[in-house]
Amino acid sequence: AQSVTQLGSHVSVSEGALVLLRCNYSSSVPPYLFWYVQYPNQGLQLLLKYTSAATLVKGINGFEAEFKKSETSFHLTKPSAHMSDAAEYFCAVSGIGNTGKLIFGQGTTLQVKP
Amino acid sequence: DADVTQTPRNRITKTGKRIMLECSQTKGHDRMYWYRQDPGLGLRLIYYSFDVKDINKGEISDGYSVSRQAQAKFSLSLESAIPNQTALYFCATSSQGAGGYTFGSGTRLTVV
Repeated sequence: AQSVTQLGSHVSVSEGALVLLRCNYSSSVPPYLFWYVQYPNQGLQLLLKYTSAATLVKGINGFEAEFKKSETSFHLTKPSAHMSDAAEYFCAVSGIGNTGKLIFGQGTTLQVKP
Repeated sequence: DADVTQTPRNRITKTGKRIMLECSQTKGHDRMYWYRQDPGLGLRLIYYSFDVKDINKGEISDGYSVSRQAQAKFSLSLESAIPNQTALYFCATSSQGAGGYTFGSGTRLTVV
C-alpha cells in the first residue's frame, strides 16, 4: 500500500527565507512523486514531478524537490520565499505501472511573512 | 475555457436531498477521478474511471455514486446528503503514464 506523510500542517517563513516543506512516502513499488499547490479558492496545480529520471527535480516558480530513496523522502524547497508563495501544498504518490491513482498527503499551509 | 469544468461551484443543500455534481473535460483524457478535500485530511479518492465502461470505488465511496456519461463527462451523486459530506469536491483527469492530474476548480458543498 502507498501512503504519504507531510510533516507540519503549517509552516511560516519570512519573505526571502528558505522554504522547506517535508514529505515522506511509503510505497511497495518504485514511486512516482508529485507536489501540487493550491491557492485560495482554486484547484490544485502541478508544481513538479519525479518519474524515476533525475533525482533532483525542478518545477515552476523556482521550486525544486529531491528524491531520496534511502530516506523515502521528497522534500520541496525554494531558496527565497515570495509573498505570492503563500498557499497550501500537497505531496502525492503513485506506483509505477499501477492505475495512475494518486494518494495525497494531508497538506501543508505555507505562510509568508513580510 | 477551463480544461476541467465543475458545476456548480457552490451548493447548499438539505439533509436527505439527492444532489449531483458534474464534471466535464476538454483534455481528451481517458481517466477521471472524484476527490473530496477536508481540512487536515488532504484529498481522499471517492471514485475513479479509466474509460466509459470502467468505474471503480476509491477509499471513501460509501454514500456516493458516479456516472461516466461519455469520455468527457463524469458525475458524482450523493444519494441522500448528510452533514458530514460537507466538503470541497474536486474532479481531476489524467492520461496513462506519469503526467499527473489536471484538476477542476472544485465544488464547495454544504449540507445543512
